[in-house]
Parts: sequence; C-alpha cells; structure tokens
Amino acid sequence: GAVVSQHPSRVICKSGTSVKIECRSLDFQATTMFWYRQFPKQSLMLMATSNEGSKATYEQGVEKDKFLINHASLTLSTLTVTSAHPEDSSFYICSASGEGDKGRNEQFFGPGTRLTVL
Amino acid sequence: EDKVVQSPLSLVVHEGDTVTLNCSYEVTNFRSLLWYKQEKKAPTFLFMLTSSGIEKKSGRLSSILDKKELFSILNITATQTGDSAVYLCATLGSNYKLTFGKGTLLTVNP
Repeated sequence: GAVVSQHPSRVICKSGTSVKIECRSLDFQATTMFWYRQFPKQSLMLMATSNEGSKATYEQGVEKDKFLINHASLTLSTLTVTSAHPEDSSFYICSASGEGDKGRNEQFFGPGTRLTVL
Repeated sequence: EDKVVQSPLSLVVHEGDTVTLNCSYEVTNFRSLLWYKQEKKAPTFLFMLTSSGIEKKSGRLSSILDKKELFSILNITATQTGDSAVYLCATLGSNYKLTFGKGTLLTVNP
C-alpha cells in the first residue's frame, strides 16, 4: 500500500501557541487528504477534508479559524492548531487518497501526531 | 447522518478462543465497509468489503458483509496475545468520507 508520513510524531506546547502538523504522501499523488482527531478511548472523528488547491471542507462543530488546513501540493497537507489550549490535546491523524474512483475508495493513514497542550 | 455501531465495546478472552466482532451501519450512498486494527498508533488496514456474502480471509482473520441487513462481522480464530487491540469498523459513504464506529477493545489473555 501507499505510504503516508506525519511530522512531528509527538509535540508538547504551551497554551496559546500554534502548532503545525505536516502530512505527506511519499509515493503517490494525494488528490484528497483527510484530517481526523481521536480523544483517549474514543474513535476517530473526521475534522475536515481537503482537496489539493482548494479550501478545506470542515465537519460540523470544527472551527475552521482554529484548525487551519492547507493542501498546497499533491503530496503535502498541513494542519495548524492556532492558539492551542489543553482541550485541544489529542491524537491527530491524516489520511490520503488518490484520483479516480479506485483511488478515492482507499485511504492510507499516516502514523498520527500526539499533541499535548500544557 | 451516517452511523456505525460496533459491539461489544470490549471483550476479554483467553488465548486460543475464537471471537466475533459486530458492526452495523446506516450510510447514505454506501461504497464499502472497512475493518482496521489499532494499537497505540494510527489504524492499520485489515479488510475492505463491498459485496454481500463474500468472505474475505487473511490468516486467522475473516470478515463478511450483509448489505441487506446492513451488518458485518469480523472473526478471529485461535486468538493470540498479539491480537489485543481496538478493532475499528468504518464505512465509506458520500463524498468518499469514512465514518468510524467506537471500536471494540479486544484483550487476549495468555
């Protein structure tokens, strides 16, 4: 299967700072990238869908001004958590899918980024 | 709104036991149902099911989909301690979005 990387794998920051998480597709062109959040002992919740070159589509209840998503190329999407607070501490996971019906039917997950806000 | 319900939420078994995990769903424009295994990191892919009644098998794991009853099961035979994980069921629906269930926490004791 295709490889998706995330960086950093773990980050600890102070309340009020901003944190950027990168998601890269290493061996294929990701037309669409998805960002998920997972709180302890809970399932993955989709935050937003981003298509290369266009604005991200956010799920209900996700603040687009707080979680800035950029998908400037077919191999890179970034999620910036602005003015992070302790309640934003979570496991953030991206996934990527390719073009066409076959490509869009498969999502390849990154290894995740664990964010802790003090 | 798409919905995926898994049961049981947790399960404790002994090595060698066989387990069946359940997943029911309500999805608009159903495309496929997927099973993932999650340990302390991102989910790893197990199966994708699109057609009813066709069993998919990988070693001791197998899964089948019933599109009439909107249901899937994941079977694990001869369980091992390494099978301990959260098993996630997800459906791919409209706009190719995945909707996840809450997962089943499986603990396999030696």
